[in-house]
Amino acid sequence: DTGVSQDPRHKITKRGQNVTFRCDPISEHNRLYWYRQTLGQGPEFLTYFQNEAQLEKSRLLSDRFSAERPKGSFSTLEIQRTEQGDSAMYLCASRRVTDTQYFGPGTRLTVL
Amino acid sequence: KQEVTQIPAALSVPEGENLVLNCSFTDSAIYNLQWFRQDPGKGLTSLLLIQSSQREQTSGRLNASLDKSSGRSTLYIAASQPGDSATYLCAVGTDSWGKLQFGAGTQVVVTP
Repeated sequence: DTGVSQDPRHKITKRGQNVTFRCDPISEHNRLYWYRQTLGQGPEFLTYFQNEAQLEKSRLLSDRFSAERPKGSFSTLEIQRTEQGDSAMYLCASRRVTDTQYFGPGTRLTVL
Repeated sequence: KQEVTQIPAALSVPEGENLVLNCSFTDSAIYNLQWFRQDPGKGLTSLLLIQSSQREQTSGRLNASLDKSSGRSTLYIAASQPGDSATYLCAVGTDSWGKLQFGAGTQVVVTP
C-alpha cells in the first residue's frame, strides 16, 4: 500500500502531557498538509509544507503546536501541554504540485 | 473570509434513488473544488476534483457540477447503493498551494 500513513491511529493522554504524531506521505508528493477535525465538523487547515519548508500556519496552531518535515519526507506534529480542547482527529494529506490531495487515516487524540 | 456550507446536514434515501448533495461558498474566487467521502472514524477519500475553469466532472455514477458565479457545486450520485452510506464533504481550494476550506459535510444513509 503506497498511500498516506499516520501513526499512531489512536492516542489517549492526560492533560498537560506532550504528544507527537507522525505522517508518511506518498513518496513522490512534495506538498504535505495537516488538518484537525472535530466531531460533526469538516477538517480545518493547520499548516502545510512544500518539501521541508513550512509555508503557512493557521491561527488555530497555537504556540503549543509545532510541525516539522525534515528532509522533505515524513512529518511530525507535536502538541505540548495538551488541553481537553485538543481532542480531535488529526489528518495528514499529501499531493504533487497539481493534483488532488490524498488523506491518511488520521490520528484520533483523546485528552483526559 | 471564505465560508463553505453544505445543506442538508443529513439525508436518508432508499436504495436506487438518485442522491443530490449541495455545497455553497461565499467567495467565487476559488482555485478548485473537491468532493470527498468519509466513512465513520476514517480518513477522507477524494471523489472528484473540479478546476475553476471547468463546469463539471464525472466518474462512474458520480457527477459534480460547479457554478462559480452563484457560488454553488452539486454532487449527483446515480442509483444509490447501501455502500454509498457515508459523510460527503465539499472543500474549496483557495489558491494553487492547495489549502482547502471544508464544509461540515452531509451524512448520507442509503437504506436497502
